[in-house]
Amino acid sequence: DTGVSQNPRHKITKRGQNVTFRCDPISEHNRLYWYRQTLGQGPEFLTYFQNEAQLEKSRLLSDRFSAERPKGSFSTLEIQRTEQGDSAMYLCASSSWVLAGGPQGTQYFGPGTRLLVL
Amino acid sequence: TQLLEQSPQFLSIQEGENLTVYCNSSSVFSSLQWYRQEPGEGPVLLVTVVTGGEVKKLKRLTFQFGDARKDSSLHITAAQPGDTGLYLCAGARPNDYKLSFGAGTTVTVRA
Repeated sequence: DTGVSQNPRHKITKRGQNVTFRCDPISEHNRLYWYRQTLGQGPEFLTYFQNEAQLEKSRLLSDRFSAERPKGSFSTLEIQRTEQGDSAMYLCASSSWVLAGGPQGTQYFGPGTRLLVL
Repeated sequence: TQLLEQSPQFLSIQEGENLTVYCNSSSVFSSLQWYRQEPGEGPVLLVTVVTGGEVKKLKRLTFQFGDARKDSSLHITAAQPGDTGLYLCAGARPNDYKLSFGAGTTVTVRA
């Protein structure tokens, strides 16, 4: 178990550019989540996948944001035409469905990608 | 308005003292998780509680889930400088898989 990994760890871009982040979940986990965290706040939910299906999107996820998980393994989050307000830590988490009797849906987080839009 | 309210927002104590962080809501949660986060890193899971009234201990850390599953607390005994960090509570509501987070409590333990 190597944990959740995210790449890149840091990204600096100019306003208007597109950026893409990658998340590799824990290998046996079928659920994958994206969150965004700004300074002084807790993470806020963006979207989640069960296998390759994107099942829920937050209203925070504007049409400039798109997430994919094409084969039910790794996921990408793309931001088009970045704005300064997109500057934040983007966190990925994964979880597995556990049969009754266990802690359902405990989420394990990656180290995050810190985005700075100039 | 956040679903989970954490208090206090900041806590600075001397090594060896005890501290308690509170996480409150008017909503019921099917599970509640506590994480610790270092600057520039992702949250690291400390514990998951799922049963109302449940108490879990992790060395010097004691976690409690309220009987009604609306609130939780984290108590640290004899705090050490290594306990310094941002403590986050997060809950999953019934039939929901996403987590709602509190704003966090920044704990500083002075040597």
